[in-house]
Amino acid sequence: RKEVEQDPGPFNVPEGATVAFNCTYSNSASQSFFWYRQDCRKEPKLLMSVYSSGNEDGRFTAQLNRASQYISLLIRDSKLSDSATYLCVVNMAGRRALTFGSGTRLQVQP
Amino acid sequence: GAGVSQSPSNKVTEKGKDVELRCDPISGHTALYWYRQSLGQGLEFLIYFQGNSAPDKSGLPSDRFSAERTGGSVSTLTIQRTQQEDSAVYLCASSLARLAGAEEQYFGPGTRLTVT
Repeated sequence: RKEVEQDPGPFNVPEGATVAFNCTYSNSASQSFFWYRQDCRKEPKLLMSVYSSGNEDGRFTAQLNRASQYISLLIRDSKLSDSATYLCVVNMAGRRALTFGSGTRLQVQP
Repeated sequence: GAGVSQSPSNKVTEKGKDVELRCDPISGHTALYWYRQSLGQGLEFLIYFQGNSAPDKSGLPSDRFSAERTGGSVSTLTIQRTQQEDSAVYLCASSLARLAGAEEQYFGPGTRLTVT
């Protein structure tokens, strides 16, 4: 079993749609959680950190459920420019490096 | 300011040759990480440097892989006797490392390595 698991997609949605991604992680002692965005043939970039209380940044909302060990990302009013791969990222206890999921690909269509 | 830079951007090499990949982290970032990403896969951790501490080499896949960081800044990842399965994008990241693993990592554009 992978330490961080994501549905690879692709999720094909029309502009303006709301889309949600989930991610599960195996280590219950994990401490920090992030969503990174990676465009095709580009490096990953931080989209948002995920806090226990949940957090929102414009059209993006991230939630953490420690009891069930999953993280979610909700994107409202999808734009064409949201098309990318979204990487679920976890800082496992005792490790400095981050553990990345394989990513969920989103394609927003006109 | 300048971000993380890596060179070369692309490298094609013959099986069995050695390659060196370079990373220039953001100035002032004490933590430096190497990852690799195979086609359609997530990022795989390779090695981590933090200041003058001994590096965390737990992700290196074999003894053909090594890395060093000189003067706490530039890092070089060396792959000896390259194999076709080494073909991947090698990504370097740096961070301020104020909170162990909890802060944003800034990635370079990567080096795309192809072993023929």
